[in-house]
This record gives sequence, structure tokens and C-alpha cells, in this order.
Amino acid sequence: GESVGLHLPTLSVQEGDNSIINCAYSNSASDYFIWYKQESGKGPQFIIDIRSNMDKRQGQRVTVLLNKTVKHLSLQIAATQPGDSAVYFCAESGSARQLTFGSGTQLTVLP
Amino acid sequence: EAGVAQSPRYKIIEKRQSVAFWCNPISGHATLYWYQQILGQGPKLLIQFQNNGVVDDSQLPKDRFSAERLKGVDSTLKIQPAKLEDSAVYLCASSARDGYNEQFFGPGTRLTVL
Repeated sequence: GESVGLHLPTLSVQEGDNSIINCAYSNSASDYFIWYKQESGKGPQFIIDIRSNMDKRQGQRVTVLLNKTVKHLSLQIAATQPGDSAVYFCAESGSARQLTFGSGTQLTVLP
Repeated sequence: EAGVAQSPRYKIIEKRQSVAFWCNPISGHATLYWYQQILGQGPKLLIQFQNNGVVDDSQLPKDRFSAERLKGVDSTLKIQPAKLEDSAVYLCASSARDGYNEQFFGPGTRLTVL
């Protein structure tokens, strides 16, 4: 079946540096993508979303890039802070309007 | 605005026992979802409700799992009988409506089956 996958299971960055988390998806019919942040013991928290008619979307300190040609999604976090340490999931949605989540990337911010 | 509420937060049971989880979505949210999240994996959709009707339960193991959403508000998810592989976090989420809408997640119920 269709799946959403992440390139790396873990990522460590120095505080203040920029972070880039990547995600590959395989369902060409997906037209809506979301990044979630999940801290230990909590449910996923919405970060940013993007529709397939866009290539880039920016939020506060975060940017999502979508490359439909290679079915690739990335989340960029500027000036990474200790509070950004968490597991990040990408999720995709197609015509059924249901989310399919990837397996997650653990981001660790080093002091 | 109050978030999605779930209870209990933790539950430990022995295999073959029964367990039930409760979810109260954000007020006014028509769509409610139950997800299963196994350790180290992303959430997997079990069932989706629109008001009090089931939209999709294709990934719900119906021989042991059941869910209901009476009156289109609160929802309960039940497992009977539980198996070891049911150990996971059960997440409830709600959204204002289906489609391009953010899903808000509750804190989840961590189930351990011994």
C-alpha cells in the first residue's frame, strides 16, 4: 500500500543552528501534507501544512518545502531551540481525506 | 479553547481482559478519529466518525475492537479481549470537518497488555 517514509530516524543539531527534516511519500494522489511535532507523553501537535498546489509555505521559524516531482517534503526549523527537541512526523492526505503518518524523526538539540 | 480530552492516561491489563478508552473532542468538532501508535511508529488510523456515523473503519480489527460515538460528541474505544500486540498509545483526534482541516490530538492513553 501507499506509505510515507522518513530518510533519517534521528537528527542532532546544535542550538541556534537550522534543522532540516526530510520525508518521502509514495502516493502521487496525495494533495495535502502536514508536519506534526510530538513530545514525550503528549499527542502530536500541528506545526504547518501545505497543499499540493504550493511549493513552499512559511510559518514562525518553520518552512515546509514540497517537491512533487520527486515526492519529497521537508521541514526547516530556523534557529533551533531546546524546546524543539521532539519527534517530528510528516503526514499525507489524499482523496479519502485521512492522514497517513510516517515513522518519525527524533530531533535532539544539543547545547 | 479546551483541547481533546482522553481518559484514562495509563492502563495496564492482562491479555484476554477488556479495556475501554474515552474521548471528548473539541466542542463543535464534527469529525473524530481514533489512532493506534505503537512505540517508535507514527499513528495509524483505526476509525473515523463524522458526527455519530462511521466514515471509515477499514483498519479496525473488528473481531476485538469496537468504537462508538453516541450523540455525535464523546466516543469510546473498546478492546475485548486484549492481546499482547495491542500494547500501544491510543490517540483521539478531532477536526472541525473533514478535508483540509487540522486535526487536534489528545494526550493519548498508554495501554500495556501483560
